[in-house]
Amino acid sequence: TQLLEQSPQFLSIQEGENLTVYCNSSSVFSSLQWYRQEPGEGPVLLVTVVTGGEVKKLKRLTFQFGDARKDSSLHITAAQPGDTGLYLCAGAWGNKLVFGAGTILRVKS
Amino acid sequence: DAGITQSPRYKITETGRQVTLMCHQTWSHSYMFWYRQDLGHGLRLIYYSAAADITDKGEVPDGYVVSRSKTENFPLTLESATRSQTSVYFCASTPSGPYNEQFFGPGTRLTVL
Repeated sequence: TQLLEQSPQFLSIQEGENLTVYCNSSSVFSSLQWYRQEPGEGPVLLVTVVTGGEVKKLKRLTFQFGDARKDSSLHITAAQPGDTGLYLCAGAWGNKLVFGAGTILRVKS
Repeated sequence: DAGITQSPRYKITETGRQVTLMCHQTWSHSYMFWYRQDLGHGLRLIYYSAAADITDKGEVPDGYVVSRSKTENFPLTLESATRSQTSVYFCASTPSGPYNEQFFGPGTRLTVL
């Protein structure tokens, strides 16, 4: 059983569409990170959220941390083919990071 | 080159053989990590190290051994490889505390026949 559940597992959309991916848990996290991973490469950090209710924007990407710090979402506006990749959330747990299984996003042109 | 590197990038081995995966970082980061990535499981922590000569188990340590005699190197050894250890292995580092941004290497794809 994953401590962090991500949904959907796979998403295939057309260029220009909007999408949201979710990261949920029954546990409280002191902070949560989102990473993006491209094929054949390691994950790269997109953002860290630390305060309940926090919203961070990174160009067309909007990240939100739930008020209770148990969940987070990533919203992409007007998706582009360059957004294709695996999106991973990771929560601070004890003295480690725990990762969700990820959402595979494919944006078709 | 600056950054974090892993070698080899690809490895095929047979059941029962010993395999060592190498990880080298040039930033002098204190913390280093080994993860395995399998479909449906995301990244699972194998071992981590807070400094030279300090290592600790993660979520899935069985069958693996690590050492850290120098800050910049963190090798991972599979003492007797099994098919269930077929995976993609990532090394990561961070300067101060595991909660901070982790910088990942490019990964090693290991196949155990």
